[in-house]
Amino acid sequence: QVQLQESGPGLVKPSETLSLTCTVSGGSISGYYWSWIRQPPGKGLELIGYIYYSGSTNYNPSLKSRVTISVDTSKNQFSLRLTSVTAADTAVYYCARAFGGLDYWGQGTLVTVSS
Amino acid sequence: DIQMTQSPSSLSASVGDRVTITCRASQSIYTYLNWYQQKPGKAPKLLISAASSLQSGVPSRFSGGRSGTDFTLTISSLQPEDFATYYCQQSYSAPWTFGQGAKVEIK
Repeated sequence: QVQLQESGPGLVKPSETLSLTCTVSGGSISGYYWSWIRQPPGKGLELIGYIYYSGSTNYNPSLKSRVTISVDTSKNQFSLRLTSVTAADTAVYYCARAFGGLDYWGQGTLVTVSS
Repeated sequence: DIQMTQSPSSLSASVGDRVTITCRASQSIYTYLNWYQQKPGKAPKLLISAASSLQSGVPSRFSGGRSGTDFTLTISSLQPEDFATYYCQQSYSAPWTFGQGAKVEIK
């Protein structure tokens, strides 16, 4: 059974960089697309972007200038960096596997942007 | 970006009711449409992919349909565990986009 687990700081100061890692267990990261999705408190889902295991990426245009997604196949991990954060970036951040739909999800991690 | 519009945004229903949620795409997405169920404090769960393909382990009371750019999620007989928020998502064109959600509440 594939499992995903997000990790990283739960509190980030405004203008700083949000960094999260998703560790995949129970299966290989190879052969799939892997994505980051976020959900502000009480709101809907927003795709941040996704990465193929080979490293090719696609980002939401609304975040593209601030986002980097990378993959480390040796560690079965992929990561998110979001720069210059503001309070509007406060959200639960999910990682997920894309195969048809988004079929496996992490539990999500709340990241709060506050000084 | 392709816009996904769900209706209704919320509905109240009773156990045993037949419930239908609609999702309309702003352009053709063929059958690249997925449905998710999300309960409070939990990650979304994939119910249906490719418009009508039920995921393994999902009860058969859930079904998906398509007519052009309109998609439906139907719950044939609502069960207590089905009260949740449902999202559609297109995976035809990047960036993949979600509908705004449809909350199914207890009447």
